[in-house]
Amino acid sequence: KAGVTQTPRYLIKTRGQQVTLSCSPISGHRSVSWYQQTPGQGLQFLFEYFSETQRNKGNFPGRFSGRQFSNSRSEMNVSTLELGDSALYLCASSLLQESGAEAFFGQGTRLTVV
Amino acid sequence: LAKTTQPISMDSYEGQEVNITCSHNNIATNDYITWYQQFPSQGPRFIIQGYKTKVTNEVASLFIPADRKSSTLSLPRVSLSDTAVYYCLVGPYNQGGKLIFGQGTELSVKP
Repeated sequence: KAGVTQTPRYLIKTRGQQVTLSCSPISGHRSVSWYQQTPGQGLQFLFEYFSETQRNKGNFPGRFSGRQFSNSRSEMNVSTLELGDSALYLCASSLLQESGAEAFFGQGTRLTVV
Repeated sequence: LAKTTQPISMDSYEGQEVNITCSHNNIATNDYITWYQQFPSQGPRFIIQGYKTKVTNEVASLFIPADRKSSTLSLPRVSLSDTAVYYCLVGPYNQGGKLIFGQGTELSVKP
């Protein structure tokens, strides 16, 4: 069974630009969550999508948005990039009811804003 | 969600048993305790989840006392490849969609 796939793996953007990151969950997983990891703030929850609907949202500004498609694939968008958005962005998928707190993470997208 | 407190770092040697304790004084009745492991530049990996007493799998054991205000992750006979950050999380059983990570414990295993 293929794992969670995130693309691209690395990205360099300029301040003010926008970026879209993609996540393909494990087949059959309908919950997709996004996390931001930085040395200063650690691992922080961004949002969760389930059946194309945002179900949970973390404490991030509106510049961070996402969506989920009917095949459960998800995208995350960050507009008007700031230097502080440089981070490892992680996507995770899970079965929820069947697997408790077990989520499967991708390798992440390393975003650098210059 | 209950706040967790873990040691920031720990050192060990290959072949030793490592115990990482997590405090969660405000754990709710329906909260479970879950541990994740993360290697550098990789996503976290689920290790174990439990509610009370002891849970064991092929990777680790989780000890939870009766008052559930703390828990201990036990890694038997660690190797260099167990060097990683270990996170303790507390929340509902099916919290897989919204994981709240604390600072974690950076475990360094030396030869």
